[in-house]
Amino acid sequence: DAGVTQSPTHLIKTRGQQVTLRCSPKSGHDTVSWYQQALGQGPQFIFQYYEEEERQRGNFPDRFSGHQFPNYSSELNVNALLLGDSALYLCASSFFGTGNQPQHFGDGTRLSIL
Amino acid sequence: AQSVTQLDSQVPVFEEAPVELRCNYSSSVSVYLFWYVQYPNQGLQLLLKYLSGSTLVKSINGFEAEFNKSQTSFHLRKPSVHISDTAEYFCAVSFVSGTYKYIFGTGTRLKVLA
Repeated sequence: DAGVTQSPTHLIKTRGQQVTLRCSPKSGHDTVSWYQQALGQGPQFIFQYYEEEERQRGNFPDRFSGHQFPNYSSELNVNALLLGDSALYLCASSFFGTGNQPQHFGDGTRLSIL
Repeated sequence: AQSVTQLDSQVPVFEEAPVELRCNYSSSVSVYLFWYVQYPNQGLQLLLKYLSGSTLVKSINGFEAEFNKSQTSFHLRKPSVHISDTAEYFCAVSFVSGTYKYIFGTGTRLKVLA
């Protein structure tokens, strides 16, 4: 039973570029959430996707956008990259996404901005 | 505002000694509570959760946590730690209603010394 998988593992970009990160949820899960984890910090909620719609969004600018596909996989897009976007980006999946459904995390994509 | 506080950023402890990692939360609505563990270069793994019922919850590897509603706390304990318990531990809350996001604390780095 595959867990949450994310790709790529590492990515290096320069300021102003655009990046796309990908996530496949755990089998049986239909909800995907994205988090940003800066060095030495806890994960910060970016947004959650359910039924191919953005269901809730955290305090992140519009440069951060996403998509969910019919097979429940998801993408996170970040435009006009800033140095401060350097972080570990975590994808988490769950069933339906309500608070009593524990989220299962992937190993993340480490994004470095030069 | 909803928040999670982990006051101890680092906790060094000798092998086979007991340990307590503290977590306090603030919320105007009822919460669910979680502890996650993160090993280097990996994502977060669910350690244990409190959804309802008995306020004392236990994991399969000897950790336990107790939900204290009056003190808004969910401290993590282990009576005897092993070298392999060295990791970052995150406390998180989700909410019974109103929002789908998780809020994480800033993490506590547990370092077990030989």
